Amino acid sequence: DIQMTQSPSSMSVSLGDTVTITCRASQDVGIYVNWFQQKPGKSPRRMIYRATNLADGVPSRFSGSRSGSDYSLTISSLESEDVADYHCLQYDEYPYTFGAGTKLELK
Amino acid sequence: EVQLVESGGGLVQPGRSLKLSCAASGFTFSNYYMAWVRQAPTKGLEWVASITNSGGSTYYRDSVKGRFTISRDNAKSTLYLQMDSLRSEDTATYYCTRDLLFNYGSPFAYWGQGTLVTVSS
Repeated sequence: DIQMTQSPSSMSVSLGDTVTITCRASQDVGIYVNWFQQKPGKSPRRMIYRATNLADGVPSRFSGSRSGSDYSLTISSLESEDVADYHCLQYDEYPYTFGAGTKLELK
Repeated sequence: EVQLVESGGGLVQPGRSLKLSCAASGFTFSNYYMAWVRQAPTKGLEWVASITNSGGSTYYRDSVKGRFTISRDNAKSTLYLQMDSLRSEDTATYYCTRDLLFNYGSPFAYWGQGTLVTVSS
């Protein structure tokens, strides 16, 4: 199975920060990576698809990038509503695999 | 508006069975692969199973193979997950989510609200 190693597992952040979360794929998954935001008690929300594409309705301060087998989600100028858990997903092949998640917490 | 509404969760004893349902609306159900994703309490997301748009092929994570069965009724726009021989480690919120369009596109743009399955004696 393809492993998605996500880091960091948690992050203490301040409003206005630029935040970057990374997932490293254990083998080539091409562009087939999504990023999800999840708030407590809520269903996940797709933020980025195909590594770099902003999903509908997602603010432009969110962006996705790829460098080799490393995939990143960047939040520019963090707002309070962005404090949440974030998950990456590879869907290049079944079994789909998620990263372990990153929890953003306010300082 | 796309809607996915799960039902069927609850408390069940180890070794027993439970069947989840997901009623879909707002899109052409028969065009999409569908999937179940679960999340154990305080843990990350875990893909469980997917089914092709026709129902002709299914895919499972190793830990549920032989115990869980994903199926669909395109006439009723409904997805199912039959869970047999349940174990404590299956305790989680189970989400229904839309997978690929035919064998293309990007999955999991839409999610249900989730249904909690608790396996305990």
